[in-house]
Amino acid sequence: ELKVEQNPLFLSMQEGKNYTIYCNYSTTSDRLYWYRQDPGKSLESLFVLLSNGAVKQEGRLMASLDTKARLSTLHITAAVHDLSATYFCAVGSYNTDKLIFGTGTRLQVFP
Amino acid sequence: DGGITQSPKYLFRKEGQNVTLSCEQNLNHDAMYWYRQDPGQGLRLIYYSQIVNDFQKGDIAEGYSVSREKKESFPLTVTSAQKNPTAFYLCASSIGEGTAQTQYFGPGTRLLVL
Repeated sequence: ELKVEQNPLFLSMQEGKNYTIYCNYSTTSDRLYWYRQDPGKSLESLFVLLSNGAVKQEGRLMASLDTKARLSTLHITAAVHDLSATYFCAVGSYNTDKLIFGTGTRLQVFP
Repeated sequence: DGGITQSPKYLFRKEGQNVTLSCEQNLNHDAMYWYRQDPGQGLRLIYYSQIVNDFQKGDIAEGYSVSREKKESFPLTVTSAQKNPTAFYLCASSIGEGTAQTQYFGPGTRLLVL
């Protein structure tokens, strides 16, 4: 059974600092997604990673995938308040359309 | 504008009542999904459909039912058998061709029990 774990669950960081969110999964997968959710809102797609070594960057966020380690990271560079949200990774269940979501990392950026 | 709409935004259910949540998409996507989100937690899959007139149970289908009579629509009924329905319900869709397609989410419906 595919399981997805994120850590940390909660992250409070100062503006301008760097930090990394980790996403571990338990069995083989062919795709991994990162989503952002603002309080009380829906999910917004950030990145899709499809192969070992894949790296995607958008603004201050960079996501990477290591399929051998079953690990994805979301790196935040020089955080700003607008990045405050909950970030979810979701892993594809192999050969199905199903996604298994992590519990999310709630990020709070303060001045 | 293409997108996914869900209605209502808030829904109140009385004990023993069935309620139906609407999900419509005009993205011409084949696959549609229903998720449940509890406070401070991730999303759990209720049902999904890869094609019209066909759907599969997700991880927490008990107490829920769906239909897929049209490509654009995938309504979810929360039945009286669902004893703890209070949650945020999210509908999503994807192109459905192959397994690597991103799922796009609607704005959600918040269901509360009176």
